[in-house]
Order: sequence, then structure tokens, then C-alpha cells
Amino acid sequence: GAVVSQHPSWVICKSGTSVKIECRSLDFQATTMFWYRQFPKQSLMLMATSNEGSKATYEQGVEKDKFLINHASLTLSTLTVTSAHPEDSSFYICSAGGLAGGLWEQYFGPGTRLTVT
Amino acid sequence: AQTVTQSQPEMSVQEAETVTLSCTYDTSESDYYLFWYKQPPSRQMILVIRQEAYKQQNATENRFSVNFQKAAKSFSLKISDSQLGDAAMYFCAYRSAYGGATNKLIFGTGTLLAVQP
Repeated sequence: GAVVSQHPSWVICKSGTSVKIECRSLDFQATTMFWYRQFPKQSLMLMATSNEGSKATYEQGVEKDKFLINHASLTLSTLTVTSAHPEDSSFYICSAGGLAGGLWEQYFGPGTRLTVT
Repeated sequence: AQTVTQSQPEMSVQEAETVTLSCTYDTSESDYYLFWYKQPPSRQMILVIRQEAYKQQNATENRFSVNFQKAAKSFSLKISDSQLGDAAMYFCAYRSAYGGATNKLIFGTGTLLAVQP
């Protein structure tokens, strides 16, 4: 399958600052990017879906002004957590989706652990 | 709306034995995909197996096989000859086959599998 990378793998930031997480699809054209949030021992919660070149579609209850998603190319999407607070501390996972060999495929990044102090 | 239910929060199996993880789902769609993902302690999501709803034959991947009962909306995962490396959180997931905004995965709550040596 395709390789999806995330950077950074972990980040610590101070409350009130913003942090950007990059998601790169290294060998796959990701027409759609998915961003998930995962708390310990819980399932993945979809935050938003973005199609390349379009505005992201946010799931109910997710603040779009707090979690800014950019998907400017088929290989790069970014999630910016603005004015982060301790309750934003979580594990964030991106996933690249698109057609491969005529089939819709989805590949996950390794995740980014965010700690807000 | 589609839902996925995993009723076993935790399971345990002896090394070399067989274990079955349960998953049920609810949908009004006739065509869809079902998945089992493995999330080891590294938290990288790994696709274990995929089943297409229109295929009656149960999918198999080496030691992993599924029992897909479409009428019952059941999709269980059987792991044969369990190995220590199988210890992980396992998520069952559903995806519509109709594309577009419905390409998103719907996850169950997960089953934490422990493998005893």
C-alpha cells in the first residue's frame, strides 16, 4: 500500500499557541484527506474530510475555526490547531484516500501526539 | 445512518490458539465494504482484511479470515494460530460503496486483544 507520513510525530506546545501538523502522501494521489482524533483506548473520531483544492467538511461538533485544514495538493494536507488548550491534547491521525487501480483505497498516517501544557 | 458495534471491549487468547472477534453493523444500503483494522501499540492503523458486500465468499488473508453474514449484518474476524504480534486493538469499519462524501469509514469502538504466551 501507499505510504503516508505525518510530521511531527509528537509535539508539545503551550496553551494559547498554534500548532501545525503535516500529512504527506508519498506515493499516492490523495484526492481526499481525512483527519481523525483518537483518545486513549478509544476509537477514531472523524474530525473532517477535505477534497484537494476544496474547503474541508467538518463533522458535527468540530470547530472549524479551531481546527484549520488545508488540502492544497494531492500529496499534502495540514491540520492547524489554533489557540490550543489542554483539552486539545490527543492523538491526531490523517488518512489519504483516492483511487488506485480503479478501487477506492485509504491509507493511514502514523499519527501525531499533541500535548498542550 | 450507518453504525458499527463491537460488543467485546477486551479479549484474550493463548498463543497458537484461535480467537474470534465480533462485529455487527446497521445499514440500509445494499452495497458497501467492511474492514478489520489492527492498531498495535505503535498506533499505526494497519488494514487486516477487507470484504465487499456483494461477494458471498468470505475474505481470507493468511491466518485471518472473516465470517460475513449479510442478512444478519454480522462480520466477525477469526485469527488462527495467534501470535504475540497479534496483540493490538482491532477495529471493525464500514464504508459505503456509493462514493463521494460517503467514502468515509465508520469505525466500531474496538476490541483490545491480548495474546498470552
